[in-house]
Amino acid sequence: NAGVTQTPKFRVLKTGQSMTLLCAQDMNHEYMYWYRQDPGMGLRLIHYSVGEGTTAKGEVPDGYNVSRLKKQNFLLGLESAAPSQTSVYFCASRIRQTQYEQYFGPGTRLTVT
Amino acid sequence: TQLLEQSPQFLSIQEGENLTVYCNSSSVFSSLQWYRQEPGEGPVLLVTVVTGGEVKKLKRLTFQFGDARKDSSLHITAAQPGDTGLYLCAGAKFTKAAGNKLTFGGGTRVLVKP
Repeated sequence: NAGVTQTPKFRVLKTGQSMTLLCAQDMNHEYMYWYRQDPGMGLRLIHYSVGEGTTAKGEVPDGYNVSRLKKQNFLLGLESAAPSQTSVYFCASRIRQTQYEQYFGPGTRLTVT
Repeated sequence: TQLLEQSPQFLSIQEGENLTVYCNSSSVFSSLQWYRQEPGEGPVLLVTVVTGGEVKKLKRLTFQFGDARKDSSLHITAAQPGDTGLYLCAGAKFTKAAGNKLTFGGGTRVLVKP
C-alpha cells in the first residue's frame, strides 16, 4: 500500500514549456486535490475532483488544467509554464465526503526559468 | 489576505521549553485540523477538532478549538528536537458540491535546538 505517490519529484522547465504532473493513490479514495505551496502562504487549492470523470476549480486555478479519467489518478497540466508557477505541488486524496483527513503525496518541486 | 492567520511565522526554542502556535480567522469552520510537515515531504495530519471549546491531547501536544470555532491553538510542552517542522492549521468548510474543503494557514516553522 503506497498511499499517494507523485511523479516526477523534481522538474525544471523553461517559460512556455508544458508538462503534466501525475498523482496516483491506491486507497480507493473518491476525492483528490492539487495544491501548491509557496513560502509563508501555506497550501492553496488549485483544482479538485469529487470522483472519476469530475473536476472543479479551486482557489488558484488559472494556468492549470486537470483530468481524472481513472479513479486512482489525478493529472495536473501546465500548458505554458510561467515563472510564477515555480512552486512545490502536492496532491492529496480523501475517502469520502464526511471524512476529514486528507492524505498527501511527497510533492513535486517545479522550477520555471 | 489569508483567511487563516498563523502566528508566529517562525519559532526557535531550546529543548525542554514550551511553545504555543496560534491559528486565527474571522470565519467559522466546521472543523479545524493541524498538520505537521517535514522537509521534502507532504503534510501529515496530527489532529482534527470539531466542537467549539474542544481540547485534544496527543502526548506532549495540546490542541484547542475556540468556543466560536474561529480560532485554534497548538501547545507543545517540553519540546524536543523531533518536534521540529512546519505546523499548518487548516479550517474545513462544508459545501454541497465539494464536501469539506480545507483552507490552510501560512504555517509556523518550529525549530527545537538540542
